[in-house]
Amino acid sequence: KAGVTQTPRYLIKTRGQQVTLSCSPISGHRSVSWYQQTPGQGLQFLFEYFSETQRNKGNFPGRFSGRQFSNSRSEMNVSTLELGDSALYLCASSLEPASGYNEQFFGPGTRLTVL
Amino acid sequence: DQQVKQNSPSLSVQEGRISILNCDYTNSMFDYFLWYKKYPAEGPTFLISISSIKDKNEDGRFTVFLNKSAKHLSLHIVPSQPGDSAVYFCAASGRGSQGNLIFGKGTKLSVKP
Repeated sequence: KAGVTQTPRYLIKTRGQQVTLSCSPISGHRSVSWYQQTPGQGLQFLFEYFSETQRNKGNFPGRFSGRQFSNSRSEMNVSTLELGDSALYLCASSLEPASGYNEQFFGPGTRLTVL
Repeated sequence: DQQVKQNSPSLSVQEGRISILNCDYTNSMFDYFLWYKKYPAEGPTFLISISSIKDKNEDGRFTVFLNKSAKHLSLHIVPSQPGDSAVYFCAASGRGSQGNLIFGKGTKLSVKP
């Protein structure tokens, strides 16, 4: 059974640009959550999508957005990139809506560098 | 304000000895706690969890202890092995997080042969 895949694995952008990251969950999983990992802040929750609907959103500015398609694949978009957006972006999938009781499986992440 | 805190950024332990990783939380609405392990260039992988109705959960070499009155949990690894060297994240979920995981900043464990 294939795991969670994320593309691209590495990305370099400049300030002001926008970026789209993709996440393909494990087959059959309907929930996709996105997290930002930085050295100073650890893993911070961005948002969760379940059955194409945003279920929860963390404390990030509106420049961060996402969507989920009917096949459960998800994309996140960051517009007007800032230097502080440099981070590892992780997505995680689960069968049911995210909770501590429903194991979340993480992808390897996309390393975004903003110059 | 950070709701899940791992105050030790790093820990070094000799192979065969016990590793103890600590985690504190502030939100009493959390009812489930998890530990994830992360190797470089990989995503975090689930290690062990504990419900707030328990005070201990054991899985092989890994044991998690929960002290609700102190809002503190710890992960014990006995005996520690070099392959355990990784970053360990503590996470919590519950009504206080609408189900999503709230992570600590992680503790980097180094197990020396």
